[in-house]
Amino acid sequence: SAVISQKPSRDICQRGTSLTIQCQVDSQVTMMFWYRQQPGQSLTLIATANQGSEATYESGFVIDKFPISRPNLTFSTLTVSNMSPEDSSIYLCSVGPGTGNYNEQFFGPGTRLTVL
Amino acid sequence: SQQGEEDPQALSIQEGENATMNCSYKTSINNLQWYRQNSGRGLVHLILIRSNEREKHSGRLRVTLDTSKKSSSLLITASRAADTASYFCATGQRTGFQKLVFGTGTRLLVSP
Repeated sequence: SAVISQKPSRDICQRGTSLTIQCQVDSQVTMMFWYRQQPGQSLTLIATANQGSEATYESGFVIDKFPISRPNLTFSTLTVSNMSPEDSSIYLCSVGPGTGNYNEQFFGPGTRLTVL
Repeated sequence: SQQGEEDPQALSIQEGENATMNCSYKTSINNLQWYRQNSGRGLVHLILIRSNEREKHSGRLRVTLDTSKKSSSLLITASRAADTASYFCATGQRTGFQKLVFGTGTRLLVSP
């Protein structure tokens, strides 16, 4: 299984600012995913990031608000832009095997974001 | 929404008892997976069951899948305090783009 780290682990930010979250994997992976988990809620997929192509965003999420970079097969960043208190959530990255019919995913430890 | 639903939302038991969580989903699936999350941290993959399987075991975990009813259950036998966590089911869709859709989760509390 892949080992995934995220930075920062938590942060407290002021509204109107932006935060970039980093996700590092210990092996090369094709697909990386970014999720949001609002307080007490389940996970919602924000976007899928494939190396060498634009990220694919889910309904309700836009690139201007959540720009994503995927410069290589082991790293990705998610930026939460122009933050408001509603953006307070845990943000998680995950990776999948990327091939085949079954997509067990491995998750990073998450970034707990609080927006004041 | 394609999100699945889990019940119960919360479950409180004593150590040694069995815990059963149920998951229902709405669309055809390729596979169903169960994950555990401790205290708002990252998720840990527990078990995957394919759409052509009906039951699967892993240690103290037993998962069943009924595709005709679009439902799955996770049984944890002889529970321990360390099993205290939130448990989520997630479905992989039949389409080529294999994203996961997570259920609403069950919060399990196992008391010593």
